Amino acid sequence: DGGITQSPKYLFRKEGQNVTLSCEQNLNHDAMYWYRQDPGQGLRLIYYSQIVNDFQKGDIAEGYSVSREKKESFPLTVTSAQKNPTAFYLCASSSDRGPGANVLTFGAGSRLTVL
Amino acid sequence: QQQVKQSPQSLIVQKGGIPIINCAYENTAFDYFPWYQQFPGKGPALLIAIRPDVSEKKEGRFTISFNKSAKQFSLHIMDSQPGDSATYFCAAAWGGGFKTIFGAGTRLFVKA
Repeated sequence: DGGITQSPKYLFRKEGQNVTLSCEQNLNHDAMYWYRQDPGQGLRLIYYSQIVNDFQKGDIAEGYSVSREKKESFPLTVTSAQKNPTAFYLCASSSDRGPGANVLTFGAGSRLTVL
Repeated sequence: QQQVKQSPQSLIVQKGGIPIINCAYENTAFDYFPWYQQFPGKGPALLIAIRPDVSEKKEGRFTISFNKSAKQFSLHIMDSQPGDSATYFCAAAWGGGFKTIFGAGTRLFVKA
């Protein structure tokens, strides 16, 4: 089945540590995204990538970093510079153009808790 | 201009009722209006979507009503079931997925 796999599902971090969330897709989508979800705030865009080796900041990129070395993979690193990292993180993908460009397919999410 | 305002924040209905969730937008450049359904601990999934050239779209028990002049759209769930209990997000988009703006979400609970 085609889809997006996020890991780990749950992650605990001590203050001052960097953590990396994995996102892999087998949908052959060019575009990939990372969103942060907080209660009552909807989904906010952290970073997105439309092509391998290129990515752009979203609305809340501070304290996060990404890479896009392969079409299938778009890992997110939550750095120690992120002041309030406890949240539910969602990876998504879409076609890069055409009618499918607006249709987001999401992974099951990773819940990060800072201890 | 980039906001999508969604209401209510939460909603409780009896089984068989018709919950209605409303959204409003400002930016007239939006040309795609999807609704996503999210169950606890899962990622959102596309439920139904509409483009501004039509006023209504129906898929099964789910209907989107769209009012272009008022810049408002709403989701109606006919004959709601306990299995419809989830969080619903409206969104507005133009030009690609990275130009998708989400509403704050509505938590729906359908009582058996």
